[in-house]
Amino acid sequence: DIQMTQSPSSLSASVGDRVTITCRASQSINKYLNWYQQKPGKAPSVLIYAASSLQSGVPSRFSGSGSGTDFTLTISSLQPEDFATYYCQQSHSAPLTFGGGTKVEIK
Amino acid sequence: QVQLQESGPGLVKPSQTLSLTCTVSGGSISSGSSYYSWIRQPAGKGLEWIGRIYTSGSTNYNPSLKSRVTMSVDTSKNQISLRLSSVTAADTAVYYCARYYDILAGYYNFDYWGQGTLVTVSS
Repeated sequence: DIQMTQSPSSLSASVGDRVTITCRASQSINKYLNWYQQKPGKAPSVLIYAASSLQSGVPSRFSGSGSGTDFTLTISSLQPEDFATYYCQQSHSAPLTFGGGTKVEIK
Repeated sequence: QVQLQESGPGLVKPSQTLSLTCTVSGGSISSGSSYYSWIRQPAGKGLEWIGRIYTSGSTNYNPSLKSRVTMSVDTSKNQISLRLSSVTAADTAVYYCARYYDILAGYYNFDYWGQGTLVTVSS
């Protein structure tokens, strides 16, 4: 199985801050990496697919980068509605696996 | 607009079988380029992929659950189903169904999710 490791597990930030979350795969997954946002009591929603492509309807302040084993999700200017938990997920091979999540909290 | 809705018992006794159904509306599940998956999330924890099914009926299961999982599809009802046998308290979680869609020539993502259903395993 491909293990996905996210860091940090949580962070505190202020509105307007630039936020970066990293995800590392236990083996190369090329660009088969998705990012999701989950708010309390809600299902996750996809932000980024293929490591760096913005899902339709997602604000442009979200961006993704990376390939191989190391990936990054960046929020360029944190907005109040962005306080949530973020997950990476590899779509390279089954079993599909998720990172442990990064909770973004208000400072 | 595709919508997914999970349904099934919210309480299951230990050692029994958990059975859930996901009804898809707003489009046929037989349309190409899509699998359907079940994903679960224990309270306060992360996401665990249970498995996926294609509309042909072919399946892939998480090896950690494979011996206890069965997924099926009913294209006439636009439904997919999950059965998880011999449940224990560790199977208590919110269970989601989600569409796994080929958005870009082999790049898949979970683009539509149900709202999730809480299943508690307790006597």
